[in-house]
Amino acid sequence: QITLQESGPTLVKPTQTLTLTCTFSGFSLSTSGVGVNWIRQPPGKALEWLALIYGDDAKRYSPSLRSRLTITKDTSKNHVVLTMTNMDPLDTATYYCARSDALPSATYCDYWGQGTLVTVSS
Amino acid sequence: DIQMTQSPSSLSASVGDRVTITCRASQSISSSLNWYQQKPGQAPTLLIYAASSLQSGVPSRFSGSGFGTDFTLTISSLQPEDFATYYCQQSSSTLWTFGQGTKVEIK
Repeated sequence: QITLQESGPTLVKPTQTLTLTCTFSGFSLSTSGVGVNWIRQPPGKALEWLALIYGDDAKRYSPSLRSRLTITKDTSKNHVVLTMTNMDPLDTATYYCARSDALPSATYCDYWGQGTLVTVSS
Repeated sequence: DIQMTQSPSSLSASVGDRVTITCRASQSISSSLNWYQQKPGQAPTLLIYAASSLQSGVPSRFSGSGFGTDFTLTISSLQPEDFATYYCQQSSSTLWTFGQGTKVEIK
């Protein structure tokens, strides 16, 4: 059974750095084509893809947030960590981690965590 | 970036109706298009991947089609549990983008 679970602070102050951890089970990041993504959703708004990491440590970032994001993995602990610097109230959102798998024709997120709401406020 | 535009943004439909949602990419994405369903307070779930492949466990009333820039999600006979928001997502480029969502409401 594949599961993912996000953890981290529910409240951060403006200008602080957010650190979120995705703990997963039931799959290996070492499997070819498998990755872990971070995706967020401000209240009442659309999904926004943030970052992706593969088992070979290849990383992808949203261009609009690239300067503020870092994604890392700890394969031994089945953890993927996202850090976002210089948090702003506009970063208030539910943050999801999701497993992605790949075919030659498409890559898709087939398992998602339940999400964690992060509020940015002083 | 590849921009994804869904239409309509919302629609009202009755149980049993056939519903079609469209997603257009700003440039060709071949068949690298996925559809997700999201119910209030829940994480999204994968419905369709690679434009037309039904994810395991998803009812056959859901179908996807399209190639290049224009894609469609069809629900052949809307059921009460289908009232939700639907998102398309492209994975053609190394930088993924979602559409703005289509909310399907009860008429």
